Amino acid sequence: AQKITQTQPGMFVQEKEAVTLDCTYDTSDPSYGLFWYKQPSSGEMIFLIYQGSYDQQNATEGRYSLNFQKARKSANLVISASQLGDSAMYFCAMRPGPSGNTPLVFGKGTRLSVIA
Amino acid sequence: DSGVTQTPKHLITATGQRVTLRCSPRSGDLSVYWYQQSLDQGLQFLIQYYNGEERAKGNILERFSAQQFPDLHSELNLSSLELGDSALYFCASSVGQGHTGELFFGEGSRLTVL
Repeated sequence: AQKITQTQPGMFVQEKEAVTLDCTYDTSDPSYGLFWYKQPSSGEMIFLIYQGSYDQQNATEGRYSLNFQKARKSANLVISASQLGDSAMYFCAMRPGPSGNTPLVFGKGTRLSVIA
Repeated sequence: DSGVTQTPKHLITATGQRVTLRCSPRSGDLSVYWYQQSLDQGLQFLIQYYNGEERAKGNILERFSAQQFPDLHSELNLSSLELGDSALYFCASSVGQGHTGELFFGEGSRLTVL
């Protein structure tokens, strides 16, 4: 069965430092997609970054990068130069299979707190 | 702003009651998804509609039902409500086929059952 595991319930990081949020996944599909979403205290879900299983390079979006290690089935999110506004819940999610018309499977999330 | 609109934003009701949550997807998106987020939990997939038809079903209780209308807006009906149904209910939409599958979320409807 498809599953996403986020082993860090909570993390702290000093402002301006980099932080890595862990995500491992389980799927038997050769084609799949991996996503990270941010949920601030206000509650909305904000898309951050996407990585396709066949993408050769790690995805990057501004201060966000995805450390994709296919053999280890991991898709860690790296946030560089942390800001106070980065304090939020972060969810890793997977699209099982090649179709873009498939529900995403979410992990339980990691709560990141950025300290001044 | 994701372009997905959910109403109401907040809802307080009593056990045994029935409520309807409404969702308007982004313009052009054919797929609508409903997710439930209970306290300190991840998002649990409930149900998906694509162009008016049910496409996928997740952990949706029999007391819950949904539909997607010809104008593509969707409604999630929750009946015989229990305390444990208190949660944040998200609607999300996507283009559908031929895309990465990124979901665009509404701001959610926070349901409190007393």
